[in-house]
Amino acid sequence: GQQVMQIPQYQHVQEGEDFTTYCNSSTTLSNIQWYKQRPGGHPVFLIQLVKSGEVKKQKRLTFQFGEAKKNSSLHITATQTTDVGTYFCDLEGNQFYFGTGTSLTVIP
Amino acid sequence: NAGVTQTPKFRVLKTGQSMTLLCAQDMNHEYMYWYRQDPGMGLRLIHYSVGEGTTAKGEVPDGYNVSRLKKQNFLLGLESAAPSQTSVYFCASSDYHLAGGLNEQFFGPGTRLTVL
Repeated sequence: GQQVMQIPQYQHVQEGEDFTTYCNSSTTLSNIQWYKQRPGGHPVFLIQLVKSGEVKKQKRLTFQFGEAKKNSSLHITATQTTDVGTYFCDLEGNQFYFGTGTSLTVIP
Repeated sequence: NAGVTQTPKFRVLKTGQSMTLLCAQDMNHEYMYWYRQDPGMGLRLIHYSVGEGTTAKGEVPDGYNVSRLKKQNFLLGLESAAPSQTSVYFCASSDYHLAGGLNEQFFGPGTRLTVL
C-alpha cells in the first residue's frame, strides 16, 4: 500500500527564519496537493502540483514536485506568526492519502 | 454559499451506541470524502464517494458505514461506537476528477467525537 512520510513532524522557528517540510511517497504520484490547517481549524487548500519538476510560488511559499514525482517540498521564506499551523501534503495515486503533517510553531 | 457543513459539531457517545454524522455541500461537487484526524496520524480517509449512489472504502473503513443517497449529502454511520473511534471527523468535497485537473478539496469545520 501507499506509504507517506512527511518530515519533520514538528518544527519550531524564530520569526524571520525559513521553514521547509518534505513529503515522500513510496510510489509515483499523479499529482500532489498541499493544505494548511490552522490550530482548531480545518484544512485549507494551498496549491496543486502536477508536472515532474514543477515549481510554484505563492508570495513567501515555494512548492516543488520532484523529478520522479515521488516527493515534494514546501518552503516558507522569512516565516511570520501568521504561518503557524500544520501543513499537509495530499498524495494522489491509486488512492488518496494525506501525509502526517508538519506542525509549525513560529516564535515571535 | 455555505460550502461544506457538518452536523453535529460535538458529540459524546457511550461504547456501543450508534450515531450518524451528516455532511452537506452546496457546490454541486461529485466527490465527497470522510476523514478522521488523530494526533500524530494526520488525516486518514475512511470512505469516499465519486457520485450519487456510489461509495468506496478508504484507508480505515472498519467500523464505519456511509451512504450517498443525494448528491449534496454524505452520511457517516457508526453502528457500535468504540473508544478507538474517538477522533475529529472531517468531511470534504471536490469537483469532478479530471486527469491532471484541479483536485481542490473543500473541508467542513469538523465534528469532535468522544466515545467513553
